[in-house]
Amino acid sequence: KTQVEQSPQSLVVRQGENCVLQCNYSVTPDNHLRWFKQDTGKGLVSLTVLVHENDKTSNGRYSATLDKDAKHSTLHITATLLDDTATYICVVGDRGSALGRLHFGAGTQLIVIP
Amino acid sequence: DMKVTQMPRYLIKRMGENVLLECGQDMSHETMYWYRQDPGLGLQLIYISYDVDSNSEGDIPKGYRVSRKKREHFSLILDSAKTNQTSVYFCASSLRDISNERLFFGHGTKLSVL
Repeated sequence: KTQVEQSPQSLVVRQGENCVLQCNYSVTPDNHLRWFKQDTGKGLVSLTVLVHENDKTSNGRYSATLDKDAKHSTLHITATLLDDTATYICVVGDRGSALGRLHFGAGTQLIVIP
Repeated sequence: DMKVTQMPRYLIKRMGENVLLECGQDMSHETMYWYRQDPGLGLQLIYISYDVDSNSEGDIPKGYRVSRKKREHFSLILDSAKTNQTSVYFCASSLRDISNERLFFGHGTKLSVL
């Protein structure tokens, strides 16, 4: 059973609009959560890592929150650009060391149109 | 330069042929990973390597083996490739303590087994 569920599966927004991507998970323990951006045909690029309960991070136009009680994270993208078109992947790590496992969501495909 | 490099980018093989996928990193990371990505699924871990000659099976190791003779280099080998091994393969690397550190991915190798 998938332990990391992302929604929506796909999303189309107009350039300049804001959008919110959701990640719900059942991984236990949940040591940390990461968001990645994957351009078509490319590898995953790290956007942010959230570690603590109620963590909030900001990386330019990307900001993320983590609610460990609810096992839920959101990724906000403000003032979207055409280059934001990509798949965004949520990953939950069950340990802080590489001895743990990383659990990957299937991704949200974001398309930004002019 | 903080990079994970995969070779080749694209590969077409016939069923039963042997396949060698290569991965290099220039960050002296102890840990390296091989994943495969299939449509609609999250990345699945094939093998993980904690250092030279210290490799462990991931979630889907059947049909694959790996080799790590130098810290900066990690190979994935398919002996007698099968059509269901058609996929995009990603190599990644990280420090041993990953909770607050970046995880670096290569650009992927798209393998087609005919």
